[in-house]
Amino acid sequence: SAVISQKPSRDICQRGTSLTIQCQVDSQVTMMFWYRQQPGQSLTLIATANQGSEATYESGFVIDKFPISRPNLTFSTLTVSNMSPEDSSIYLCSALTSGRHYTSYEQYFGPGTRLTVT
Amino acid sequence: AQSVAQPEDQVNVAEGNPLTVKCTYSVSGNPYLFWYVQYPNRGLQFLLKYITGDNLVKGSYGFEAEFNKSQTSFHLKKPSALVSDSALYFCAVRVRSGAGSYQLTFGKGTKLSVIP
Repeated sequence: SAVISQKPSRDICQRGTSLTIQCQVDSQVTMMFWYRQQPGQSLTLIATANQGSEATYESGFVIDKFPISRPNLTFSTLTVSNMSPEDSSIYLCSALTSGRHYTSYEQYFGPGTRLTVT
Repeated sequence: AQSVAQPEDQVNVAEGNPLTVKCTYSVSGNPYLFWYVQYPNRGLQFLLKYITGDNLVKGSYGFEAEFNKSQTSFHLKKPSALVSDSALYFCAVRVRSGAGSYQLTFGKGTKLSVIP
C-alpha cells in the first residue's frame, strides 16, 4: 500500500499568481499522477509525473500552465500558474504501486488540495 | 475510447435496505474495473476491483460488485446500507496511456445518501 500526503490542504489565491502543490508518498512508486476534480464532479487526469523526465500531459493540459516536477520516486509537485477563477478546483495526487504484473498494480490517492482563485 | 458511465447522479436508500450503485463500461480488450469512495473533504479510497476470475468481487466495508460481461456492467452492491456509507462513489476503468503507463478513467460519480 501507499500513504500519500499533500500540502497545502487548501488555499485561496489571487488571480494571476501561482501555487505549487507538494505530494509525498511514504514508499517508492512507479508512477505518480495529478488529477483535477471540479466540485461535486469526476476526476480528470492532468498528467503523469515521470521520474527523471518531463511529465506526460493529457489533452487540454499544457506544461506552461501546469508544470510538474518529480525529482525522485516518492515526491512530486504540481504548479498551477497564472491562475484564474476557472482553476478553482480540487487537485489530487495519485500513485501507482507496482507488482509482478500490471494487473496487481494498485492506485492510491492523496487527500487533495482545495484551491480557490479569487 | 474506453470509458465508464454512472447513470445515476444520486441514489437514496433507507438504512438497513440493500443498495445498488450502477456502472457500465465500454472498453476494448479485457476490462479492469474499480470502485472508489470519496467522503467529504477526503481523498479517494479504494473499495474493490475486478481483474479476472469470479464475477462477484468482495471489497472493503461489506461492499461487493458484480461483473456482467454480457451487459457490460459492474454494479456496486451492499446487502444492508449504513448511514456512514453516505458518500460519493466512483466507478473507474484502468486504461493504458500513450506514455505506456496505466491510469484510471473515472465515471462522473454517484452520490449515495443513506437515510436513517
